[in-house]
Amino acid sequence: QKEVEQNSGPLSVPEGAIASLNCTYSDRGSQSFFWYRQYSGKSPELIMFIYSNGDKEDGRFTAQLNKASQYVSLLIRDSQPSDSATYLCAVNEDSNYQLIWGAGTKLIIKP
Amino acid sequence: DTGVSQNPRHKITKRGQNVTFRCDPISEHNRLYWYRQTLGQGPEFLTYFQNEAQLEKSRLLSDRFSAERPKGSFSTLEIQRTEQGDSAMYLCASSSNYRTSRADTQYFGPGTRLTVL
Repeated sequence: QKEVEQNSGPLSVPEGAIASLNCTYSDRGSQSFFWYRQYSGKSPELIMFIYSNGDKEDGRFTAQLNKASQYVSLLIRDSQPSDSATYLCAVNEDSNYQLIWGAGTKLIIKP
Repeated sequence: DTGVSQNPRHKITKRGQNVTFRCDPISEHNRLYWYRQTLGQGPEFLTYFQNEAQLEKSRLLSDRFSAERPKGSFSTLEIQRTEQGDSAMYLCASSSNYRTSRADTQYFGPGTRLTVL
């Protein structure tokens, strides 16, 4: 059974601080990793994806991947109240179209 | 590029009725996915199309659920004899694998929220 685990939260972070969201996965064959943001009552919105070990930066967001530890994280710098949402982690194998989803971490940015 | 669209956005129905949802993917995307999501959970995979071919259907999916993508463009998801447990957000996503052999990125529509009374 392939699984993706996330702490459900809520994770509370002061405005302007760094928010760190974590995700672990069970399938060592996983090759592609995605972070989605979902506001309450809305659909998931892609933030970024990462394929290679290390860091990938996009604006205030940095994804970090460690395949040896089967761990992927998302850092949000200079957190804003508008970042308050549920963050979903999804993974899959290159040969498999199907994404395996975590249940998401609820992030609250306090002004 | 207008993104993925879904209709209707909300549907309220009585138990036992049939409902049909429509998804229009991003125009150049050949892959289309249906998911179901309930509160506090990640999206649950229902089915997948590549062009007009339905290549995978979740084993957890009841026979009451059926999906089509007749011309490889829009797709419909039908639920027959709805039950209260079918109440959820139904999400459609599309992607394209034309440019890369890696897992392609899925883009979601706004979803259809189904309430079964």
